[in-house]
Amino acid sequence: GENVEQHPSTLSVQEGDSAVIKCTYSDSASNYFPWYKQELGKGPQLIIDIRSNVGEKKDQRIAVTLNKTAKHFSLHITETQPEDSAVYFCAASGGAGGTSYGKLTFGQGTILTVHP
Amino acid sequence: DTAVSQTPKYLVTQMGNDKSIKCEQNLGHDTMYWYKQDSKKFLKIMFSYNNKELIINETVPNRFSPKSPDKAHLNLHINSLELGDSAVYFCASSVDMGTQYFGPGTRLLVL
Repeated sequence: GENVEQHPSTLSVQEGDSAVIKCTYSDSASNYFPWYKQELGKGPQLIIDIRSNVGEKKDQRIAVTLNKTAKHFSLHITETQPEDSAVYFCAASGGAGGTSYGKLTFGQGTILTVHP
Repeated sequence: DTAVSQTPKYLVTQMGNDKSIKCEQNLGHDTMYWYKQDSKKFLKIMFSYNNKELIINETVPNRFSPKSPDKAHLNLHINSLELGDSAVYFCASSVDMGTQYFGPGTRLLVL
């Protein structure tokens, strides 16, 4: 089955700096890669996602890049703010017809702390 | 308007008891999921239902039994609760196994 590794496990930055979280996946059939933000006591919230036919996607201060050859994808947050502090999860799932269709396999999570 | 809701939010119970967690979504989605988040925050899928049909059934003890009375509801019943069942359980929903939206979670503590 799919295996997703996420690094770093903790990340501390100053307000205004950039933050980068990286994930690698094992199943070359995976074609959907969402990122979730989980605040304390809440459920994971989708912040951005990318499909394997796209190399990069951006939404305001958040961007995701995907390298299918190397099987890794990254989350980039620019101009970080204290309210960006949370646990971030990457995930991967496969396409229709595959064994991992619709089955999100999550990374271990990254605790991001943005210091004012 | 709550998109994916779960009840109860907190559940404290004794070992050996049977308990249920309910999930409802008002997004019109046809697929619903249950995930377990352990004490180290690791999220793992347990079950998925598409149009009331079981699609994904991971290696979960058969003490856990999901039930989907209709497309908008997916309940999780747990028999003979064990200490190791203590975790946060999240329900999620999507359109046809697409982008998944999560509920607020049910925090289960087994004493």
